[in-house]
Amino acid sequence: EAGVTQSPRYAVLQEGQAVSFWCDPISGHDTLYWYQQPRDQGPQLLVYFRDEAVIDNSQLPSDRFSAVRPKGTNSTLKIQSAKQGDTATYLCASSLVGYTGQLYFGEGSKLTVL
Amino acid sequence: GDKVKQSPSALSLQEGTNSALRCNFSIAATTVQWFLQNPRGSLMNLFYLVPGTKENGRLKSAFDSKESYSTLHIRDAQLEDSGTYFCAAAYQGGRALIFGTGTTVSVSP
Repeated sequence: EAGVTQSPRYAVLQEGQAVSFWCDPISGHDTLYWYQQPRDQGPQLLVYFRDEAVIDNSQLPSDRFSAVRPKGTNSTLKIQSAKQGDTATYLCASSLVGYTGQLYFGEGSKLTVL
Repeated sequence: GDKVKQSPSALSLQEGTNSALRCNFSIAATTVQWFLQNPRGSLMNLFYLVPGTKENGRLKSAFDSKESYSTLHIRDAQLEDSGTYFCAAAYQGGRALIFGTGTTVSVSP
């Protein structure tokens, strides 16, 4: 069974540029999460979906960050006008049957904003 | 971070020794998961726990919901056990897992 797939693995931007991260969850998993992990910290939830619906986006900086999962499968996280403080690894995870289910992570997309 | 506190923050082990990591919860945790993040950054799910214990090879984990803590025991530590261990809890009234701040384990020959 394929795991959670993310791309790109690495991105380097100048401040003000935009970037999109893509995630393909484990087949059949209805719940998909985006976490931000700054260096030397634990993952911090940005947003999560059940199928195509946003369940919680309260921690998503909505002025520059957006996330979609239009068909309830793949998802895209976009950062517009990146700032140095956005430097972090962006982790996608999926689970079966909601946030109380066992969580599986992708390898992450490491973003550096210069 | 305050809802889930991990200790110690860092741990140095020699190969072949045993140790324990702990998570304390200030929330009414209902399930706990333990992850290992390797030096490349990949997070691997080690355990998914309802109250009780599980064992997998040299690793054993317990979750006591009444006393609000979970432990991860490493037996006969090996070099490949090095990395950062995170616990994460689901809790009553919550909408997402809460992660601890991690324990960085370094195993040396």
